[in-house]
Amino acid sequence: KNQVEQSPQSLIILEGKNCTLQCNYTVSPFSNLRWYKQDTGRGPVSLTIMTFSENTKSNGRYTATLDADTKQSSLHITASQLSDSASYICVVSDRGSTLGRLYFGRGTQLTVWP
Amino acid sequence: EADIYQTPRYLVIGTGKKITLECSQTMGHDKMYWYQQDPGMELHLIHYSYGVNSTEKGDLSSESTVSRIRTEHFPLTLESARPSHTSQYLCASSESTGELFFGEGSRLTVL
Repeated sequence: KNQVEQSPQSLIILEGKNCTLQCNYTVSPFSNLRWYKQDTGRGPVSLTIMTFSENTKSNGRYTATLDADTKQSSLHITASQLSDSASYICVVSDRGSTLGRLYFGRGTQLTVWP
Repeated sequence: EADIYQTPRYLVIGTGKKITLECSQTMGHDKMYWYQQDPGMELHLIHYSYGVNSTEKGDLSSESTVSRIRTEHFPLTLESARPSHTSQYLCASSESTGELFFGEGSRLTVL
């Protein structure tokens, strides 16, 4: 069964600290993996998208890594800010159809305290 | 910033009412989607469209219907709302790369 599992479910850190969010998937075949940020009450916004051949991609203070062999990805946030408080969603796309079906994780709820 | 808009952002209605959630995008994307999201849960695809006059049901069974008469417009309709329809509904569109752009969402509460 194709699944995307994220950990931890929730995380609280102090402003200025770094953190790492995890995503494990069983989706096969694999096309790409995306990380989205979703502020409370808003729609998700794309942070990164990585294909099979990419093992790291950065977007400002956000760095995503991908290990296609172990089917794991991580999202590292450096020098956290209060505005980083949000849900971070991992999404994996397969190659099984023209739609490129998407499998969503339940997200990690990050809270940054001052 | 994505140019995809949803209205209303919040809606509280009584059981049995008919509602339409509007979604419009100005990016010229052919593919559009409706997702349903409950708190702490993953997004579930309920409808999608590849272009004008093309609509398909998604993975999650839904009593809602959609239409795609114009490229930019993809409304979702519930003929008779029930409390079980209470949820957040997210509209999205995608370009040729598959990158998804989401609207701000419509939070529906059915009393």
